Amino acid sequence: AQSVTQLDSQVPVFEEAPVELRCNYSSSVSVYLFWYVQYPNQGLQLLLKYLSGSTLVKGINGFEAEFNKSQTSFHLRKPSVHISDTAEYFCAVSDMNSGYSTLTFGKGTMLLVSP
Amino acid sequence: KAGVTQTPRYLIKTRGQQVTLSCSPISGHRSVSWYQQTPGQGLQFLFEYFSETQRNKGNFPGRFSGRQFSNSRSEMNVSTLELGDSALYLCASSLGLKGIYNEQFFGPGTRLTVL
Repeated sequence: AQSVTQLDSQVPVFEEAPVELRCNYSSSVSVYLFWYVQYPNQGLQLLLKYLSGSTLVKGINGFEAEFNKSQTSFHLRKPSVHISDTAEYFCAVSDMNSGYSTLTFGKGTMLLVSP
Repeated sequence: KAGVTQTPRYLIKTRGQQVTLSCSPISGHRSVSWYQQTPGQGLQFLFEYFSETQRNKGNFPGRFSGRQFSNSRSEMNVSTLELGDSALYLCASSLGLKGIYNEQFFGPGTRLTVL
């Protein structure tokens, strides 16, 4: 079984400031790692994913994340946020070898960008 | 290509009733997964259907059931509704191929309110 912990339920930040949303996971098997974003009254949109290879992955909207296997972390970063980045962000994992794409999610981090 | 569609978008029911939600996957996708999103429990996996067969199931009571049709459209049913079933129900579709990564695409969700 896997579990995902998002350490901050809410992160307030000013526009154009950098931001980091933290994610740690626990798993007895190898996993794929994901970050999703959810805007109000919408479904989930994939921001980026780590499947293998380079531990630094770049996603849409200027976001990037770094996979750290020793610390079992997958923190999301953006060097300069915009008002439009205000949304809820979910970190997720899936078992690489199960044959299924089932996602296990963290509880989410609400990013609040103010002018 | 049209995205994942879910109907209805909003639903209000009373305790004890039953409800059916519908999900139409992206054309060509054969896997449909359902997730429940609540403020308290976050996003939790309900079940996955592939080629009209349930092939993975989360930890939900038997009141939650689903099915998939030959055109890959899926329905989920909740019987004997309880207040705690109030949630956003998300479905996600993917190619569903085993042994490789399959990106899941999410619909906008159905917001169920139980009074």
